[in-house]
Amino acid sequence: EAQVTQNPRYLITVTGKKLTVTCSQNMNHEYMSWYRQDPGLGLRQIYYSMNVEVTDKGDVPEGYKVSRKEKRNFPLILESPSPNQTSLYFCASSLSFDGRRGGGNNSPLHFGNGTRLTVT
Amino acid sequence: QKEVEQDPGPLSVPEGAIVSLNCTYSNSAFQYFMWYRQYSRKGPELLMYTYSSGNKEDGRFTAQVDKSSKYISLFIRDSQPSDSATYLCAMGVSGGYNKLIFGAGTRLAVHP
Repeated sequence: EAQVTQNPRYLITVTGKKLTVTCSQNMNHEYMSWYRQDPGLGLRQIYYSMNVEVTDKGDVPEGYKVSRKEKRNFPLILESPSPNQTSLYFCASSLSFDGRRGGGNNSPLHFGNGTRLTVT
Repeated sequence: QKEVEQDPGPLSVPEGAIVSLNCTYSNSAFQYFMWYRQYSRKGPELLMYTYSSGNKEDGRFTAQVDKSSKYISLFIRDSQPSDSATYLCAMGVSGGYNKLIFGAGTRLAVHP
C-alpha cells in the first residue's frame, strides 16, 4: 500500500531533550516536506527536500533540522525542543515538486497521519 | 493580513444539505487551487484540484474559482455524515509545492 509513515504518532518530551520524528515513503517520491499544524494558522511548511541531499527552508524553519540521505526517508530533528514547538506535525511527499505542472491529481501531496508533539 | 483566509467554523448541517466552504486570498499570483479533506487523527488528503477560473465537478463535489474576486469555493451536494471533517483550501504559484499556502481549515459536521 502506498503510504507515508510517521513515527511516533504521539510524543511528550521536556524542554531541551533532542528528538527525531521519522518519515518514510514507499512511493519513490522525489519531493518530501514537513509541516506543522496549529489552530487558526493552518499548515505551515518547516523544511522541504526536492531530492536526496537537497533540502531547503520553508516558512518556519527555526529550531528544526532535516536530512535526506536516502530517497525514502526524511527525518525531522529538534535539537533542543521548546514549548512553542508543541504542535501537530505532518510529513508529505509527492512524485513531482511542481504542483502546477505535474501536480493536482497527477502528483498530489501525500500526507502521513501526523505526530502530535508536546514539549513541557 | 494572511495570504489565505478561511472561516474556521465549525459548520453544522443536517444530512442532505448543500454545503458551501469558502476561501479568499490576496496574492493574485496564485495559479492553482486545491481542497484537502482531513479526518480526525489523519493527514490531509487531496479532494479537488483546479488550475483555472470556473467550475470543476467530481461526484457530489464542485470546486469553483473566481480569480477576479480572489475567491474559491467548495460545494458539497447531498452531504453525508461521512463528509464530517476539516476542509483545507490550498493554493500555489508556479515553481512548486514549496510555495503552497494553506488556509486554516473549516470544520464541518454533518448530522443524521
